[in-house]
Amino acid sequence: DTEVTQTPKHLVMGMTNKKSLKCEQHMGHRAMYWYKQKAKKPPELMFVYSYEKLSINESVPSRFSPECPNSSLLNLHLHALQPEDSALYLCASSQDREAEAFFGQGTRLTVV
Amino acid sequence: QKEVEQNSGPLSVPEGAIASLNCTYSDRGSQSFFWYRQYSGKSPELIMSIYSNGDKEDGRFTAQLNKASQYVSLLIRDSQPSDSATYLCAVRLSGGYNKLIFGAGTRLAVHP
Repeated sequence: DTEVTQTPKHLVMGMTNKKSLKCEQHMGHRAMYWYKQKAKKPPELMFVYSYEKLSINESVPSRFSPECPNSSLLNLHLHALQPEDSALYLCASSQDREAEAFFGQGTRLTVV
Repeated sequence: QKEVEQNSGPLSVPEGAIASLNCTYSDRGSQSFFWYRQYSGKSPELIMSIYSNGDKEDGRFTAQLNKASQYVSLLIRDSQPSDSATYLCAVRLSGGYNKLIFGAGTRLAVHP
């Protein structure tokens, strides 16, 4: 089973809203990732958690706040987003920091 | 110089032909390389991983790695219209954090 589950699939939020994206995996993977993908562009790395500790923050604005409550869950808290933050947000996980990563189906975020 | 470079295409091949997709990378210390397929509006799907120089075959797919030339390729034999998608080359960078970085992707169109 190589399933990474993301919720919600679609999200529309206003610029003053607070929302959270959720990601879950039960493969025992110890590395989890958030990527952002704009149309016709490749996925762009945002955050990496390794053994539940934040190991990479790619200079992402503070309006994006990641959280890893346990080894199976990864959240991305959103606050005061801008319309240009509208994108597909992808969660992925891998067994370790060398192995292949498996992606969830993504959350399509629209900021209005 | 971009860390991972791919020809954006589109690469157009007739059904039944061999599609050849290429990727170069800049980090000489990289050890892990992956090919993902992404259909429009969907998330990336892992199709091949390769870690050692040479060829690796899986069904109709063959990945080739040449670390000396910093070059990775993907061959798709007997191409089918269902193979039409964007193919993303991904590389784990060296340097301790093993960031997984994507090329811009090559759009493949297989026509009947």
